[in-house]
This record gives sequence, structure tokens and C-alpha cells, in this order.
Amino acid sequence: DTGVSQDPRHKITKRGQNVTFRCDPISEHNRLYWYRQTLGQGPEFLTYFQNEAQLEKSRLLSDRFSAERPKGSFSTLEIQRTEQGDSAMYLCASSLGQAVNSPLHFGNGTRLTVT
Amino acid sequence: GENVEQHPSTLSVQEGDSAVIKCTYSDSASNYFPWYKQELGKRPQLIIDIRSNVGEKKDQRIAVTLNKTAKHFSLHITETQPEDSAVYFCPNAGKSTFGDGTTLTVKP
Repeated sequence: DTGVSQDPRHKITKRGQNVTFRCDPISEHNRLYWYRQTLGQGPEFLTYFQNEAQLEKSRLLSDRFSAERPKGSFSTLEIQRTEQGDSAMYLCASSLGQAVNSPLHFGNGTRLTVT
Repeated sequence: GENVEQHPSTLSVQEGDSAVIKCTYSDSASNYFPWYKQELGKRPQLIIDIRSNVGEKKDQRIAVTLNKTAKHFSLHITETQPEDSAVYFCPNAGKSTFGDGTTLTVKP
């Protein structure tokens, strides 16, 4: 399967703990995006990378969130000191070229539950 | 920044009927208009897209039309089936942002 893969599929953590998610994009895709989605809402943009450079980060994103894409391939999203409000589906997507004219390919997401 | 407005937010049709979802944009420079479908519990997936040099594109029962003058594009689903029930999104491709979409319910 050469689609976008995310790991883990599910994560349950206690409030205050740190969590890290991984995304492996389609290999030739240079852009990688992170979104958060809660029930009944559309995907909320968090950040995106072009190759290893993080080009945009949502102003709504707390400082507890950080993302990396060190070698321009896979990416990690870390949430520090998790809160119950962080419970959501975290989606990763990749695209070839600019999203302005290229389709996004989504992974199956990581569902985070903070207890 | 410019937003894309999508209507309606919910749509319920009888199986076999047609469904139309409309999105309005404000940025005249927009040149790519995708539609994504998200079934319950699954990831969003591109179902059809159109570029600004084309007025209409069809793929079996789905079609997208673009009106550049009025700055809107629409998703058309004909002969709807229960498996068309999902949330449909027309994101702001230029900003990679999604609204809350249109929840389509097809009643058998």
C-alpha cells in the first residue's frame, strides 16, 4: 500500500501526559499537512510542511503542539501536557506540488482520547 | 483571508433523486476546486475536482460545474444511492482549510 499511513491508529492517554504521532506520506509527495477533526466538524488545519520546512502553522494552535519533518519524509506531531480538549482525530495528508492545485491524500488518522 | 462558503449544511434526498451542493468563493485567483467525501468513521477522499479552465467535469454519477463569473462551483450527484450518504467538503484549496461540509443523507 503506497498511501498515507499514520501510527498509532488509537491512543489513550491521561491528562498531562505527552503524546507523539507519526505520519508517513506518499513517498514522492513534498507537502505534508496535519489536521485535527472532532465529531461533526470538518478537518481543522494545524500546520503544513514543504519538504522539511514548516511553512505555516495555525494561529489557533497551542504552544503545546509541535510538529517536525526532519528529513522531508515522515513527520511527527507531538502534544505536550495533554488536555481533555485535545481529544480528537488527528489526520495527516500529503500532496504533490502545491495544494492550491493538487489533491490531498489523507491517512486514516490517529484517534486520541485524553482521560 | 478568503473563505469558501458551502450550502446547504444538511441535505436529505430520496434514493434515486439528485443532490446539489454549492460552494461560493471570493478569491478571483482561485484556479482549483476539489470536492472531498467523508463517510462516517473514514478519512476524507477526493471524489472529483475541476480547474478554472474547464466549466464542467463528469465522472459517472457525479459532476462538478464551475461558474467563474459568479464565483461558485457545485457538486451534482444524480441517481443517489444510500452509499452516497456522507459529508461532502469543498475546501479552500489555496489555504488548505475545510469548513464543516454538507451532510448528505440518502433515504432508501
